[in-house]
Amino acid sequence: RKEVEQDPGPFNVPEGATVAFNCTYSNSASQSFFWYRQDCRKEPKLLMSVYSSGNEDGRFTAQLNRASQYISLLIRDSKLSDSATYLCVVIAGNTGKLIFGQGTTLQVKP
Amino acid sequence: DGGITQSPKYLFRKEGQNVTLSCEQNLNHDAMYWYRQDPGQGLRLIYYSQIVNDFQKGDIAEGYSVSREKKESFPLTVTSAQKNPTAFYLCASSTGPHMNTEAFFGQGTRLTVV
Repeated sequence: RKEVEQDPGPFNVPEGATVAFNCTYSNSASQSFFWYRQDCRKEPKLLMSVYSSGNEDGRFTAQLNRASQYISLLIRDSKLSDSATYLCVVIAGNTGKLIFGQGTTLQVKP
Repeated sequence: DGGITQSPKYLFRKEGQNVTLSCEQNLNHDAMYWYRQDPGQGLRLIYYSQIVNDFQKGDIAEGYSVSREKKESFPLTVTSAQKNPTAFYLCASSTGPHMNTEAFFGQGTRLTVV
């Protein structure tokens, strides 16, 4: 079983749609969680950190469920510019490793 | 400007040759990481270092070597033992794995074996 798992998609949605991605992790000692965005042939860039209480940044909402060991990302009112790959990232608490999921590809269409 | 710099951006290597990828950061970060990304795939951890003069193997360390003699530098050598080295290599740094802070990435090096 992979340490961090994501549905690779692709998710094809129309502009204005709401879309949600989930990510599961296997190490219960994991302590820090992030969502990164990666555009084609570019380096990943931080989209948002994920806190236990949940957090929101404009159209983006991230949530953490420690009991079920998953994190989620919700994008509301999708824009064409949201088309990218979204990477779930976990810091393993017992090793300090920064572990990436496979990524979920989002295509927003006009 | 503060940041993390990888060089070169593109690198071509003949089979059987070793090659070293550079990664430098001026963010005063303790932790540094090397990842490999293949087309359509996620990032796989090669090596990571949480402090100067110390590093650990990641999930795919075979055929690679690193050093961490200085805080700001974490070079990666792709040796001839790496059977399929053509890939996109990404270096990252963070304040520390237990600091709950984001990792910053360099722009990556695309290595092609010819």
